[in-house]
Amino acid sequence: DGGITQSPKYLFRKEGQNVTLSCEQNLNHDAMYWYRQDPGQGLRLIYYSQIVNDFQKGDIAEGYSVSREKKESFPLTVTSAQKNPTAFYLCASSIRTGTYNEQFFGPGTRLTVL
Amino acid sequence: AQRVTQPEKLLSVFKGAPVELKCNYSYSGSPELFWYVQYSRQRLQLLLRHISRESIKGFTADLNKGETSFHLKKPFAQEEDSAMYYCALRETSGSRLTFGEGTQLTVNP
Repeated sequence: DGGITQSPKYLFRKEGQNVTLSCEQNLNHDAMYWYRQDPGQGLRLIYYSQIVNDFQKGDIAEGYSVSREKKESFPLTVTSAQKNPTAFYLCASSIRTGTYNEQFFGPGTRLTVL
Repeated sequence: AQRVTQPEKLLSVFKGAPVELKCNYSYSGSPELFWYVQYSRQRLQLLLRHISRESIKGFTADLNKGETSFHLKKPFAQEEDSAMYYCALRETSGSRLTFGEGTQLTVNP
């Protein structure tokens, strides 16, 4: 597998701390996405970005922040304001528009708040 | 707002039996529908999309606008089909997807 990388694979954080999850892609995709995956709830969109220096809130953006300074990178910060941050986080990317803009997913980061 | 519903969290069938994973959606426009699959210890990946009207790994899915459904079907399930399956919807304009809750399919020998 290549294309999209996420690091670290496992992350532990103490309550009250901010933590940043990394997502990098070398697919030359314009659009990037962050999802949260919880059992029984599917994938829920946190933030997405369709172009560099621009991003939009998804369905559950509260307590999260992102930046998109480079096309290849879309880091996600989980802040202390996120009430239930323990989850599996998936990053994805796609070409911006068009019929066949399949989303390609990274391997995920499992965040545990202690 | 758009919504995708997968009523079965768990589905178990025997090898060789037919399988149908249900997906219903609500969206006021003309949606694009997809099925994504996540095999154990692998990344989430696209299985098929309605617009292509293709069969992938023996799976097919037909968009029924009257019933607002996009059920995934396979006539003879195989053990390697065991995985988590997600139905997803994309708005006519835009790139973001709305996913269903997922169905964990287990194919027993």
